[in-house]
Amino acid sequence: AQKITQTQPGMFVQEKEAVTLDCTYDTSDPSYGLFWYKQPSSGEMIFLIYQGSYDQQNATEGRYSLNFQKARKSANLVISASQLGDSAMYFCAMREGLYNQGGKLIFGQGTELSVKP
Amino acid sequence: DAGVTQSPTHLIKTRGQHVTLRCSPISGHKSVSWYQQVLGQGPQFIFQYYEKEERGRGNFPDRFSARQFPNYSSELNVNALLLGDSALYLCASSYGTAATSMNNEQFFGPGTRLTVL
Repeated sequence: AQKITQTQPGMFVQEKEAVTLDCTYDTSDPSYGLFWYKQPSSGEMIFLIYQGSYDQQNATEGRYSLNFQKARKSANLVISASQLGDSAMYFCAMREGLYNQGGKLIFGQGTELSVKP
Repeated sequence: DAGVTQSPTHLIKTRGQHVTLRCSPISGHKSVSWYQQVLGQGPQFIFQYYEKEERGRGNFPDRFSARQFPNYSSELNVNALLLGDSALYLCASSYGTAATSMNNEQFFGPGTRLTVL
């Protein structure tokens, strides 16, 4: 079974509007971290936002916020006021902690976001 | 501060050859991880090293090996190259490995694009 599922291969959004990118995860480890990365066509993975499994509040970083629903095992990324430069691939990733000291990140398949002017 | 650096940026090899990819982490980071990203997919975890010890290994054949040096830089070696090894190889560094610590987000380098002919 996939541990990270991103069900939207591609998304379109109008410039200045908000967009939500979906991510669901599967783990039995009580300690885990959830990450979102942006990958432009250049290939570099850019860290956007992090949510720990014990965090009580949803993470926010500027225009990025993470809608963390632990019971539903979802960690959706919300981008407010989209900009043309937001066009890129977006990856959701998870790192399990308690039983896996390797610290590896498990990535989803990604969502390609296109921002229209 | 300098980010994660990787060399070379591009590489073309033929089947059966050997390749060495190099990575220098962010200053102060002690953990280095390697990922393989095949076109159109999310990155797949290969190795993680922390304080020069292997802490995790992904589902890759023994042709893949890595090591970490006293200055925390790292090398990824791939022997007997196959066409399927063509991919973007990403290196990521973090301060530590605990999944639920906000200080342990992984920062990625620009990657090495390997083409096997």
